[in-house]
Amino acid sequence: EVVLTQSPGTLSLSVGERATLSCRASQRVNTNHLAWYQQKPGQAPRLLIYGVSYRATGIPDRFSGSGSGTDFTLSISRLESEDIAVYYCQQYDRSRYTFGQGTKLEIK
Amino acid sequence: EVQLLQSEAEVKKPGESLKISCQASGYSFTGEWIAWVRQVPGKGLEWMGIIYPGDSETKYNPSFEGQVTISADHSIRTAYLQWNSLKVSDSGIYFCARRPVGQFFRMDVWGKGTTVTVSS
Repeated sequence: EVVLTQSPGTLSLSVGERATLSCRASQRVNTNHLAWYQQKPGQAPRLLIYGVSYRATGIPDRFSGSGSGTDFTLSISRLESEDIAVYYCQQYDRSRYTFGQGTKLEIK
Repeated sequence: EVQLLQSEAEVKKPGESLKISCQASGYSFTGEWIAWVRQVPGKGLEWMGIIYPGDSETKYNPSFEGQVTISADHSIRTAYLQWNSLKVSDSGIYFCARRPVGQFFRMDVWGKGTTVTVSS
């Protein structure tokens, strides 16, 4: 099983700053199978990024993804208060999907 | 508009059976996968399994295999998650999500979730 480890656990930044969230895999991940989700309190997850760097429909260009191999990054430029959420990375390998444990983004 | 409508919250006792549902609309139900994902309150997301309603091919997370059954009825565009004998530890929020066919393995549309509470 591919284990995804996200860091930091919690990120506290100010509005307008840039957020950088990390997702490290225990094995190499197929780039087509790496996605990021945003989950706001009391809501279902929402797809942000798929295939490492493709933005899902309706996602603002403040959100971007990058990486390869075992190291992946979600960046949020110009933080807004509405970005308060938990962010999860997800991968697929050998008929199994796994999620990272999440990074909680707080606004100072 | 693509939507997944999940059944209402359930409160059950240990040992009881339960079947929750996820009704799809706005796309070809038999042409895309439907996944089930569990979230224990305050915790992260766990993939439980996935079904292709077109031919009912199903894959399970080994952690959940034998504990739940995933099925689908394409005549009413609905996927199901079923337990034969609930445990307290089955309490959580259960999401269904669409996973489109193709080269990118992601879950692009999610239901709002069904809260299951198992308590004596």
